[in-house]
Amino acid sequence: NAGVTQTPKFRVLKTGQSMTLLCAQDMNHEYMYWYRQDPGMGLRLIHYSVGEGTTAKGEVPDGYNVSRLKKQNFLLGLESAAPSQTSVYFCASTEQVGQPQHFGDGTRLSIL
Amino acid sequence: GDSVTQMEGPVTLSEEAFLTINCTYTATGYPSLFWYVQYPGEGLQLLLKATKADDKGSNKGFEATYRKETTSFHLEKGSVQVSDSAVYFCALRGPGNTPLVFGKGTRLSVIA
Repeated sequence: NAGVTQTPKFRVLKTGQSMTLLCAQDMNHEYMYWYRQDPGMGLRLIHYSVGEGTTAKGEVPDGYNVSRLKKQNFLLGLESAAPSQTSVYFCASTEQVGQPQHFGDGTRLSIL
Repeated sequence: GDSVTQMEGPVTLSEEAFLTINCTYTATGYPSLFWYVQYPGEGLQLLLKATKADDKGSNKGFEATYRKETTSFHLEKGSVQVSDSAVYFCALRGPGNTPLVFGKGTRLSVIA
């Protein structure tokens, strides 16, 4: 019972490089979310998806893109990484609105 | 828009002390309220929830009561343990497909 799996767990990038973070869930959940967690800021929503093929902007979407081509996967892309994107990124999913979210263990991303 | 305000930490307590972490919210309508816990190096886990006024959520000795008149959802535990050391997040979900809105988190350290 894997739940929500994020890959990679750690990554160091140079400014301007691109990368994709993968989130996979095996619970057949409709809703998926990407958050970033920064000291003193709590969790801030980047983008989310209410179903396969859909995406929507959250609180802090600039500099990120997402795709939900398959129901079980939600990808977060950084096209040109910036030091301000150094953070811990969490993916979450839920079966339906009002139900608890299930979180992955996070991806720690450092951009030099 | 909807928002959650929780007491700033860190909070340091001795084992077996009483814990209160304050949480107040601003929302339209009747949101569902949640407490999540994040242990070191892990993602967030649902601790408890309440979906309507006067509901009491409880789990692992923690309790919180949904108080509509004071727009609060304070987390309490009668006797904390070292293993309760973690970051605690208060969150709300409004009606419809709206994602969770998180507070900034409160770090709790319990010393033996």
